[in-house]
Amino acid sequence: EVQLVESGGGLVQPGGSLRLSCAASGFTFSSYAMSWVRQAPGKGLEWVSAISGSGGSTYYADSVKGRFTISRDNSKNTLYLQMNSLRAEDTAVYYCAKDEGVCTGGVCYWSYFDYWGQGTLVTVSS
Amino acid sequence: EIVLTQSPDFQSVTPKEKVTITCRASQSIGSSLHWYQQKPDQSPKLLIKYASQSISGVPSRFSGSGSGTDFTLTINSLEAEDAAAYYCHQSSSLPTFGQGTKVEIK
Repeated sequence: EVQLVESGGGLVQPGGSLRLSCAASGFTFSSYAMSWVRQAPGKGLEWVSAISGSGGSTYYADSVKGRFTISRDNSKNTLYLQMNSLRAEDTAVYYCAKDEGVCTGGVCYWSYFDYWGQGTLVTVSS
Repeated sequence: EIVLTQSPDFQSVTPKEKVTITCRASQSIGSSLHWYQQKPDQSPKLLIKYASQSISGVPSRFSGSGSGTDFTLTINSLEAEDAAAYYCHQSSSLPTFGQGTKVEIK
């Protein structure tokens, strides 16, 4: 059974940092691209960042580029999101999601998100 | 960035009624369009992949259609448990989502 379990959320002051983790199980983690998707309170879904299965290619939404860093440790089946220079507008539930797409030769062919974690809440407030 | 626009934003429907939600892409995306259901305090759940392909375990009253820029999610004979927000998502380029459609049961 596929499981994605996020952790690391919490309350942080504006300008602060936080690192989210997503522990994966039930599938060959290194074979799949992974994404972080967030949802501000009462709002819709917003894609934040993605990483190829090997970790060699990373992608970011303009809203977080230069502040967030996605990474993965395939030996630990874990996905990470390092969030720096946090702003009030980063307040959201952050989900990790498994992408059914393929990344090859440095190019990713995205697909649907077939599994999602339960989410972890990040609150940026003084 | 490919922008997805859903309509309507909100729909109040009686049980057994048919629900139609549309999703329009700002440029052609072929069939790279997927639908999700999100119930309150839950994670999104995949309903339809590649515009019209069904997902194992999803009730047959959910169906999708369309290609290019115009897509539709149809819920035939709405049930009370279908009260949720519905989102479209494109994978033709870096992922984007529609703004969501909330379906309420009258």
